[in-house]
Amino acid sequence: AQSVTQPDIHITVSEGASLELRCNYSYGATPYLFWYVQSPGQGLQLLLKYFSGDTLVQGIKGFEAEFKRSQSSFNLRKPSVHWSDAAEYFCAVRNSGNTPLVFGKGTRLSVIA
Amino acid sequence: DAGVIQSPRHEVTEMGQEVTLRCKPISGHDYLFWYRQTMMRGLELLIYFNNNVPIDDSGMPEDRFSAKMPNASFSTLKIQPSEPRDSAVYFCASSLLGYNEQFFGPGTRLTVL
Repeated sequence: AQSVTQPDIHITVSEGASLELRCNYSYGATPYLFWYVQSPGQGLQLLLKYFSGDTLVQGIKGFEAEFKRSQSSFNLRKPSVHWSDAAEYFCAVRNSGNTPLVFGKGTRLSVIA
Repeated sequence: DAGVIQSPRHEVTEMGQEVTLRCKPISGHDYLFWYRQTMMRGLELLIYFNNNVPIDDSGMPEDRFSAKMPNASFSTLKIQPSEPRDSAVYFCASSLLGYNEQFFGPGTRLTVL
């Protein structure tokens, strides 16, 4: 069965600092990988996705993620964090087709001045 | 274009009462998913539909939970009778075959006293 691990429950970074949120997945074939962001009291918004091709994908709000098959990882990065990036971030995986997403437990990002 | 619409946004009820959550997917989408989010279990799939037909309801926790999709523009998730452990945020998401992004609604925060 597919699974997603986000090892960091809570991360605090200073505004302007770089960010990397970790995600590891367990899946036999090449997965479809996603990062979603959830602001307090809101639904989930897609940041970026990877299906195939270039392993470095660009998303909205200045985020990017890199797919590393050898490490079964899909880490999310941002070179300079803004206070408005404070939110909960979820990594998700699924196989081909329109099957449901399997989510990690999420990483809560706090941004300090 | 309106996104996924969920109602109510907040629901407070007493144990034993019937609760009905509603979802209107994005027009033209043929997949609909119900997820539940709790601190302990994170985001978990309850059930999903394709063309109004339930495909997988293995995530529905108990017989107290039921979901219907009478037409392409409306779905309900019903809990009867409700229990305090059902307190959670319930999300509805929809997607279109051939496209891989799931669009999430804002969620319904359910509190069972």
